[in-house]
Amino acid sequence: SYELTQPPSVSVSPGQTASITCSGDKLGDKYACWYQQKAGQSPVLVISQQTKRPSGIPERFSGSTSGNTATLTITGTQAMDEADYYCQAWDSSTVVFGGGTKLTVL
Amino acid sequence: QLQLQESGPGLVKPSETLSLTCTVSGGFIRSSSYYWGWIRQPPVKGLEWIGSIFHSGSTYYNPSLESRVTISVDTSKNQFSLMLTSVTAADTAVYYCARHGAQWELLRWGQGTLVTVSS
Repeated sequence: SYELTQPPSVSVSPGQTASITCSGDKLGDKYACWYQQKAGQSPVLVISQQTKRPSGIPERFSGSTSGNTATLTITGTQAMDEADYYCQAWDSSTVVFGGGTKLTVL
Repeated sequence: QLQLQESGPGLVKPSETLSLTCTVSGGFIRSSSYYWGWIRQPPVKGLEWIGSIFHSGSTYYNPSLESRVTISVDTSKNQFSLMLTSVTAADTAVYYCARHGAQWELLRWGQGTLVTVSS
């Protein structure tokens, strides 16, 4: 079965750039997307189709893909961005999630 | 604005069947070009896709759960439902319903409902 691998945790200082990676076989050929989930809340789509930012998502969130790796980048990270982040893709008629990355802003 | 709301028992006994319903408002299931899905999240763990359904009744399921899962749709009530049989404590989770987009991203999520499996 298809797997997506994320680092369990990433730390960043306020105002700096945070990068969260997601690796999977030929992920660049798939439409990876990213979700933000704050404590006690439902996930929110922050990047769709590798690079698209849904309406209402701040410009500091961006996505990119190269080869087997998709990257979520948060430029000028704010304290409010502290959350769990999940990547997701569609493969062989299944929805696959990465294990999630806890972003700490300190 | 499209809204989804999960409903169903919050406590299910081991070996019994978990049943949840997702009610859609602000839009119609029958007019959507995309699928509608169920996702769950065990306590302090990550997201797990359960399965998804189209308004026609066409379904996709997570292979690891397929033998125990049935997802159905009732367009007259603007609802879709989840049944998970033979539950164990490992099925304790927050269960979310959501609407897919064109590339299977999950555009809109319900608030989630906690289901505990315990005797």
